[in-house]
Amino acid sequence: TQLLEQSPQFLSIQEGENLTVYCNSSSVFSSLQWYRQEPGEGPVLLVTVVTGGEVKKLKRLTFQFGDARKDSSLHITAAQPGDTGLYLCAGATTDSWGKLQFGAGTQVVVTP
Amino acid sequence: EAGVTQFPSHSVIEKGQTVTLRCDPISGHDNLYWYRRVMGKEIKFLLHFVKESKQDESGMPNNRFLAERTGGTYSTLKVQPAELEDSGVYFCASSQTGTGTFGYTFGSGTRLTVV
Repeated sequence: TQLLEQSPQFLSIQEGENLTVYCNSSSVFSSLQWYRQEPGEGPVLLVTVVTGGEVKKLKRLTFQFGDARKDSSLHITAAQPGDTGLYLCAGATTDSWGKLQFGAGTQVVVTP
Repeated sequence: EAGVTQFPSHSVIEKGQTVTLRCDPISGHDNLYWYRRVMGKEIKFLLHFVKESKQDESGMPNNRFLAERTGGTYSTLKVQPAELEDSGVYFCASSQTGTGTFGYTFGSGTRLTVV
């Protein structure tokens, strides 16, 4: 079983501050996805990274995939209240490409 | 395009009863997945369909769970008989490809409570 550990579990910050969420594993993933989930809804895909060392930017969100494809980070610049939500990382391996392994999530709260 | 639709959104049943969850994927998506999140745990994979065939059902907890996808369109997940530990949120997702490189579209989930 490949475990994806997310840290921190909970993060509360003020509007305008920056934050980073981490996703770590001892296993190698062929792709890693980041989702945001809000109460009563399903996870919504933010980004998919597939190449070691890859960096992707989505407005104020920056995603990085580790060189060894075992870890990833999500950095939010100048957080806004609309960024509040549960951030989930999920990885897929080449031998079970249809099966995502999810982390437990990081609950982010951005207060005005 | 319409998203992934799940029915019902909530279900409360007694232990020993049967419940059937339904998922309508995005039209044209051959890959359909079932996941669930039980209280306090991470979202876990149940199974993966490619069209009407089960590609991977390694996550199905036991033989009380039966998933079908007749005709390769919508899918149902039946729990019979339901046990208390089956309570949780059941998510369905679909994708055009199954390689994980394009991400999945999830439905809003069915919250199942077994009492």
